[in-house]
Amino acid sequence: AQTIHQWPVAEIKAVGSPLSLGCTIKGKSSPNLYWYWQATGGTLQQLFYSITVGQVESVVQLNLSASRPKDDQFILSTEKLLLSHSGFYLCAWSLRGAGNTLYFGEGSRLIVV
Amino acid sequence: QQQVRQSPQSLTVWEGETAILNCSYENSAFDYFPWYQQFPGEGPALLIAIRSVSDKKEDGGFTIFFNKREKNLSLHIKDSQPGDSATYFCAASASSGSWQLIFGSGTQLTVMP
Repeated sequence: AQTIHQWPVAEIKAVGSPLSLGCTIKGKSSPNLYWYWQATGGTLQQLFYSITVGQVESVVQLNLSASRPKDDQFILSTEKLLLSHSGFYLCAWSLRGAGNTLYFGEGSRLIVV
Repeated sequence: QQQVRQSPQSLTVWEGETAILNCSYENSAFDYFPWYQQFPGEGPALLIAIRSVSDKKEDGGFTIFFNKREKNLSLHIKDSQPGDSATYFCAASASSGSWQLIFGSGTQLTVMP
């Protein structure tokens, strides 16, 4: 069975500080990987997707970056947090190819103060 | 430009009633429509999905009715229970060469006992 694990579960960070969020998928080889952002009470906005190791595509510009250092790992980061970065960050995976079902992790809650 | 629209924003029904959640889209290339259920503090979970070649999909007490000509669909939750209280998101993607799954703004469903 596939499992998806996100870390940390929650963080409180200061404006201007760096951030790194992680996601690991087990039990599925070469999945597509995705990062989404959700404001409190809001919709899900796709940030990045990756179809293979080392290759990441940006969907929206939010002063964030993403990397895929291993087949089963997806990292979201920034060197300087903004207040607007607060929210719920969700990692997801799907089978290779387009138009497939996304399966989400439990999310990482970020509060920027 | 909002490509996927949901209504109503919030819905309250009594236990045992059928809840009807609506969704419409603009892009004719969309051909895959999943619905996700999200509880507070958790990641969204896939509930049921339909492809545009079908006009109806049933799974347990959940049914999607799809109208390709009108570019809309609805989720019917039969015999609603208090445990169904959650936010429901309609999403859409195009299976031909797109890795974007676009979400609507969600419907917050409350089922009163």
